[in-house]
Amino acid sequence: DGGITQSPKYLFRKEGQNVTLSCEQNLNHDAMYWYRQDPGQGLRLIYYSQIVNDFQKGDIAEGYSVSREKKESFPLTVTSAQKNPTAFYLCASSIGLAGGSEQFFGPGTRLTVL
Amino acid sequence: QQQVKQSPQSLIVQKGGISIINCAYENTAFDYFPWYQQFPGKGPALLIAIRPDVSEKKEGRFTISFNKSAKQFSLHIMDSQPGDSATYFCAASMYNTDKLIFGTGTRLQVFP
Repeated sequence: DGGITQSPKYLFRKEGQNVTLSCEQNLNHDAMYWYRQDPGQGLRLIYYSQIVNDFQKGDIAEGYSVSREKKESFPLTVTSAQKNPTAFYLCASSIGLAGGSEQFFGPGTRLTVL
Repeated sequence: QQQVKQSPQSLIVQKGGISIINCAYENTAFDYFPWYQQFPGKGPALLIAIRPDVSEKKEGRFTISFNKSAKQFSLHIMDSQPGDSATYFCAASMYNTDKLIFGTGTRLQVFP
């Protein structure tokens, strides 16, 4: 089955800790994205990558970091610099560079800061 | 100019009724307008999408109406069913990128 997997489904973090959210896709897509979802605010883009070893900041990149060492993987690190990290995090992928192609979403990771 | 404004924030419809969700944009460089459906605790999934060269696209009970001059587009769900209860997001992107700008979402509840 082709698709996007995210792990873990639920994640709890103590204040001051860095945590890494996993995102893997086997769709052979070039582009991958990370979104944050808060109630009433829709999906906001954190980082995106159009090709391996390259990524760009989205609208709310502060306090987050990413890497894109492999085409299949795009992990997101939520650092201690992110002041309000409790949210639902969604990873997505698309063919990329084509314009107007569908983004496929993973099932999400719900992060809670204790 | 990069925003996509979506309304209403929530919508309650009786089974069999028509659900209508509206979106507006400012950036005339947008040329791809998808609608995503999201169930609680799940990731969004593409429902239907349109490009500005057509004014309407229909897939089953779901129709997008597009008004290029007004820079508005809307989703119509005919014969709404309880299984349609979900949050719906409109979005837009420009011709040379898959990067999407999302609306703030509409929570639809369809009661039997």
